[in-house]
Amino acid sequence: EIVLTQSPATLSLSPGERAILSCRASQSIGRYFAWYQQRPGQAPRLLIYDASNRATGIPARFSGSGSGTDFTLTISSLEPEDFAVYYCQQRGSWPLTFGGGTKVEIK
Amino acid sequence: EVQLVESGGGLVQPGGSLRLSCGASGFIFSNYWMSWVRQAPGKGLEWVANINQDGSGKYFVDSVRGRFTISRDNAKNSLDLQVNSLTAEDTAIYYCARPGSGSGSYGAFDIWGQGTMVTVSS
Repeated sequence: EIVLTQSPATLSLSPGERAILSCRASQSIGRYFAWYQQRPGQAPRLLIYDASNRATGIPARFSGSGSGTDFTLTISSLEPEDFAVYYCQQRGSWPLTFGGGTKVEIK
Repeated sequence: EVQLVESGGGLVQPGGSLRLSCGASGFIFSNYWMSWVRQAPGKGLEWVANINQDGSGKYFVDSVRGRFTISRDNAKNSLDLQVNSLTAEDTAIYYCARPGSGSGSYGAFDIWGQGTMVTVSS
């Protein structure tokens, strides 16, 4: 099983600041990698797929990078609605796995 | 509008069973793999199962293999998850999701339902 380790667990920032979230895979997964946002009480929402492609309707302030084992989600300037939990996910091998999440909270 | 709507959750005793259902609309259901993902209260996301377009390929996380069954009816645009031999560790919101974005046979989960809660307790 591929283990995804997200860091940090919590990120305390102010609106307008840049957020950088990391996810490391225990084995190489190529670019079969995605990022999701989950707000309280809501279903997750796809942000980034195939490591760097923004999903439909996702603002340009969200960007993804990386390949192999190290991946990054960058939010260039935090908006109030961006304070949420973010999960990474791999689909390079079975079982599909998610990271433990990074909570982006208001400082 | 592309939509997934789950139903069938509830309170069940340990060892019991439930049948979760997901209705799809707004897209050609038979063209896509489909999935179930769950989230225990206050915890992260856990992939549960995938099924391919014609139902001939099914994949499960180890913790549910042999207890859960995934199936689909393309004529009715519906996806089911039969959950048996439930334990407290199966208590979670169960989301139906479409793994439709990206390269390869199946993609990232681009459409999610609102979820249905399964509570296993005596």
